[in-house]
Amino acid sequence: GQSLEQPSEVTAVEGAIVQINCTYQTSGFYGLSWYQQHDGGAPTFLSYNGLDGLEETGRFSSFLSRSDSYGYLLLQELQMKDSASYFCAVRDYGGSTLGRLYFGRGTQLTVWP
Amino acid sequence: GAGVSQSPSNKVTEKGKDVELRCDPISGHTALYWYRQSLGQGLEFLIYFQGNSAPDKSGLPSDRFSAERTGGSVSTLTIQRTQQEDSAVYLCASSLAATGPHSPLHFGNGTRLTVT
Repeated sequence: GQSLEQPSEVTAVEGAIVQINCTYQTSGFYGLSWYQQHDGGAPTFLSYNGLDGLEETGRFSSFLSRSDSYGYLLLQELQMKDSASYFCAVRDYGGSTLGRLYFGRGTQLTVWP
Repeated sequence: GAGVSQSPSNKVTEKGKDVELRCDPISGHTALYWYRQSLGQGLEFLIYFQGNSAPDKSGLPSDRFSAERTGGSVSTLTIQRTQQEDSAVYLCASSLAATGPHSPLHFGNGTRLTVT
């Protein structure tokens, strides 16, 4: 099975930088993903790390350390529209649950003007 | 279609009734997932399909829940004898494949189920 831990809430002001951490315990590991969900909306894919290191996509970056079972999502130059819930997710690697994508409980980010 | 389509968008039903939720995945996506999300909570995995086959049904909460997928496309999630604790948003997602190289999930807007 899988277990993911992430903070429940984070607040920041416009223009700031915020980091959302995710630690995981897995019986197998096949990459860490991040999804964004606005209130009342569908989750949308943000980024994926299959290997250790930093992946950058515009204002968002994601980092993975497989040896530490740890990753984070870094949001720079925060905008009001970034207020949303952010979920980390890991895919199972083998056995009967191969193909499952497990999600954390989500981090609610509130950006203040 | 351009995205994952779910119907109905909202469903209110009386306790004890059966409900059927429908999901139309993105064309060409072989993997299809069902998740449940309660208010302010994370996404609870229910079941996934690779093609028409569901290799892992162990996420279904009880034997009142069942799902099928036909023609490698449309999927239906059926909840029999609904209970109030079944009230939640049911999200469907599809991806190119469930295994192999990374393939992100594309989610529908969900069906909000309310059991009275």
